Amino acid sequence: AQSVTQPDIHITVSEGASLELRCNYSYGATPYLFWYVQSPGQGLQLLLKYFSGDTLVQGIKGFEAEFKRSQSSFNLRKPSVHWSDAAEYFCAVGAKAAGNKLTFGGGTRVLVKP
Amino acid sequence: GAVVSQHPSWVICKSGTSVKIECRSLDFQATTMFWYRQFPKQSLMLMATSNEGSKATYEQGVEKDKFLINHASLTLSTLTVTSAHPEDSSFYICSAIPARIGNEQFFGPGTRLTVL
Repeated sequence: AQSVTQPDIHITVSEGASLELRCNYSYGATPYLFWYVQSPGQGLQLLLKYFSGDTLVQGIKGFEAEFKRSQSSFNLRKPSVHWSDAAEYFCAVGAKAAGNKLTFGGGTRVLVKP
Repeated sequence: GAVVSQHPSWVICKSGTSVKIECRSLDFQATTMFWYRQFPKQSLMLMATSNEGSKATYEQGVEKDKFLINHASLTLSTLTVTSAHPEDSSFYICSAIPARIGNEQFFGPGTRLTVL
């Protein structure tokens, strides 16, 4: 069965500082990997995705993520955080073999200090 | 492209009544739609997978008689919460996979259900 772990429930970062959100997954084959962001009371916005190929993926809003097969990780990074980046971030895994169903991590809430 | 809408965005109902939530793919055809439930400060939990023209597949622990799903067309899936109770209060989110893409879900904005 697929599982996704986001070890950090909360992260507080100063505006302008770098941000890294961790995501580890468990799956028998290489899954599809996604990062989503959710503002309070809103739906999910896709930041970036990995299906295959280059393991460093660029996304929207200056985010990037790196797929590391050996560590079963797909960590999200941003070099310089803006106040508007305060939100909940979810890592998700899916696979065509599983009917493209997504399994979500527990989420990481990012707080940005001025 | 790939926009998914939900209606209503929020609904308040009395205990014992039924509520229908619509999920529409506005600019694409979706062979598969998914319904998720999200409790406050928690992650999304998949409830069911909805395929056009066939019965929905429910995840373990989800009561199919309580959460009725109908995927009547390639652009519309509905979730009906029957005999709603306060514990059904939650944020319900749908997603859809475009037939032309096949492996990426596009999410609706969610529906906040409050049962009094």
